[in-house]
Amino acid sequence: QVQLQESGPGLVEPSQTLSLTCTVSGGSITSGNFYWSWIRQPAGEGLEWIGRVHTSASTNYNPSLTSRVTISLDTSKNQFSLKLNSVTATDTAVYYCARGNGGSTFDSWGQGTLVTVSS
Amino acid sequence: IQLTQSPSFLSASVGDRVTITCRASQGISTYLVWYQQKPGKAPTLLIYAASTLQGGVPSRFSGSGSGTEFTLTISSLQPEDFATYYCQHHNSYPITFGQGTRLEIK
Repeated sequence: QVQLQESGPGLVEPSQTLSLTCTVSGGSITSGNFYWSWIRQPAGEGLEWIGRVHTSASTNYNPSLTSRVTISLDTSKNQFSLKLNSVTATDTAVYYCARGNGGSTFDSWGQGTLVTVSS
Repeated sequence: IQLTQSPSFLSASVGDRVTITCRASQGISTYLVWYQQKPGKAPTLLIYAASTLQGGVPSRFSGSGSGTEFTLTISSLQPEDFATYYCQHHNSYPITFGQGTRLEIK
């Protein structure tokens, strides 16, 4: 049973870069035809897909964020990461990492990590 | 592609049959997924490909639809079913979610 765990700073200053890592256990991040995604949820609101990286390292991003986001794999550590630059208060949210099976059916999720953008 | 769920809020009793609708702004074949989310927790996968039950999900959950209109039905509500439900498409980029349906105990 694959498990995912997000980690990273819980507080980021405006205009800085938000950096999060998702550690995958219980399976190799490069095995199978999986996509590894980041999804966020502002408090009391719905879910927003940020983007994904395939086991081949190819990426797809939400057009609303593509100018600010980078998602990458670190196969040596069985991790994938999110970088979101030039953050503002509107980027404050719980950030989830998730595995996309069959493309984008998210069958495994991390527990989520709250990131607050504030000075 | 926008997904619109109805209703946004639903009050029901244990044992009730409830149906949640998800409408897509354009056709998405059966590239439609349903999730359940409880407060403070990550969403969990219920149904994929519009009507296929994820392993371990109780059979009281069912999904149907194709194209632009989809439904999630819970045949007999149990106490653990009170939660927020989201639909999600993956027909094209960007992947989007419905705004959610909050199901509460009457």
